[in-house]
Amino acid sequence: GAGVSQSPSNKVTEKGKDVELRCDPISGHTALYWYRQSLGQGLEFLIYFQGNSAPDKSGLPSDRFSAERTGGSVSTLTIQRTQQEDSAVYLCASSLDRAWDGYTFGSGTRLTVV
Amino acid sequence: DAKTTQPPSMDCAEGRAANLPCNHSTISGNEYVYWYRQIHSQGPQYIIHGLKNNETNEMASLIITEDRKSSTLILPHATLRDTAVYYCIVRPHGSSNTGKLIFGQGTTLQVKP
Repeated sequence: GAGVSQSPSNKVTEKGKDVELRCDPISGHTALYWYRQSLGQGLEFLIYFQGNSAPDKSGLPSDRFSAERTGGSVSTLTIQRTQQEDSAVYLCASSLDRAWDGYTFGSGTRLTVV
Repeated sequence: DAKTTQPPSMDCAEGRAANLPCNHSTISGNEYVYWYRQIHSQGPQYIIHGLKNNETNEMASLIITEDRKSSTLILPHATLRDTAVYYCIVRPHGSSNTGKLIFGQGTTLQVKP
């Protein structure tokens, strides 16, 4: 596609429920990243996928968070037993292998836990 | 640990050049300087990056000091649509590059009519 696509654009969920957020990267981009941005805050790195290498999960805040990338393309970020502090905009980005031209970000999924 | 220091906010008159400074005094030899911006309610947008030479593209110019401890992003003719948070990031390139961009708090640029 022309850009990084994320779905849904907005998600409201009840505390304790599980949610799945989807990211479709730009075709041909081998690297994929998840960030989150709480209201009024900067971007917080969550996880990074690069080709067939083991993902860098160093930014995941707890074991309730997990992500997978199937077939080297689409990625899903799963949050189990959501808490109110999980409310944020979750941003996905993709890049070419060496990222010389930088990341391309999607528009994000706004998650609200009530 | 963003490794960069930026002023929290700046104003610029529409049509004038916006010069956004960034200090990265602990930058390593294999680290590039990247600039991104984030317009309200959108994802960040890549602007430009460089190692030690000045760089220019259709969006902006990047001036890096000779000692590489600071840089300036220049928007030559700022418009109201350039109002955004501007992030300066240092990031290594190399065989062990993990790909992570670590964002700091950035500079909020307000372009005024």
